[in-house]
Amino acid sequence: EADIYQTPRYLVIGTGKKITLECSQTMGHDKMYWYQQDPGMELHLIHYSYGVNSTEKGDLSSESTVSRIRTEHFPLTLESARPSHTSQYLCASSEPGQGGTDTQYFGPGTRLTVL
Amino acid sequence: AQSVTQLDSQVPVFEEAPVELRCNYSSSVSVYLFWYVQYPNQGLQLLLKYLSGSTLVKGINGFEAEFNKSQTSFHLRKPSVHISDTAEYFCAVIESGGSYIPTFGRGTSLIVHP
Repeated sequence: EADIYQTPRYLVIGTGKKITLECSQTMGHDKMYWYQQDPGMELHLIHYSYGVNSTEKGDLSSESTVSRIRTEHFPLTLESARPSHTSQYLCASSEPGQGGTDTQYFGPGTRLTVL
Repeated sequence: AQSVTQLDSQVPVFEEAPVELRCNYSSSVSVYLFWYVQYPNQGLQLLLKYLSGSTLVKGINGFEAEFNKSQTSFHLRKPSVHISDTAEYFCAVIESGGSYIPTFGRGTSLIVHP
C-alpha cells in the first residue's frame, strides 16, 4: 500500500494569490514528481526531484517552483495564481525498479481553480 | 523521444463483456511499458508493466496486456468487466537509456454499463 498524501484536495482562489500545494510520502522514496492533469490530455511532468536538494523542471513550462528540503516532502508553490493555472495537480514518488524502470505511486491530487 | 497514443478516448461496454483498450507507442530504442488506472477522485495506480521476457503480462483485477514489438503496441484486455472497472486508464512508456521518467498517453475512459 502506497502512502502519499496531498493537501488540500480542492482549492478555489482568486487571481494573484500565492499558494502552496503540499505533497508528502512515508515510503522513503528518493524520487518525486509533480504532474499537471487536464481532462483528455496527457499527464504533463512539471517538476521532479531525485533526492534532497535536487529539483528539475519537467517537459511542461510552468510558473511554479518546488523545493526538496526533506526526503518525504515536495511542495509546489505558485507565487501569483492565474486562471490558466486551473488544473488537477498530481504528486508521485517512485521506488527503484529493474534497470531504472521505477514504479510510480500517485497521491489523490489537488484540484485547483483560479477565479 | 518516445510518445504514446491511446486511440480511444472513451470505451463504453456492458458488464461481463470483454474489453480491449488500445495503446501504441513510438520510440527508436527499447522500451518499458506500463498501464495505470485512475478511479474517480483518486491518483493513478499501477495495473501492470512489461519490462522483459514473456510478452503477455498479467496484472491486478484480472487485466492483462500483450507487448507486440512489430506493431509497437501494448493493448490492455479483460475477458469480463465489472461495474467497478469504470475508471480512466493510462498507458505509459519509458525509453531505455533515457531519464527513466515515463511518458503518459491521454487516457481512455472505460465506462461499464449494467
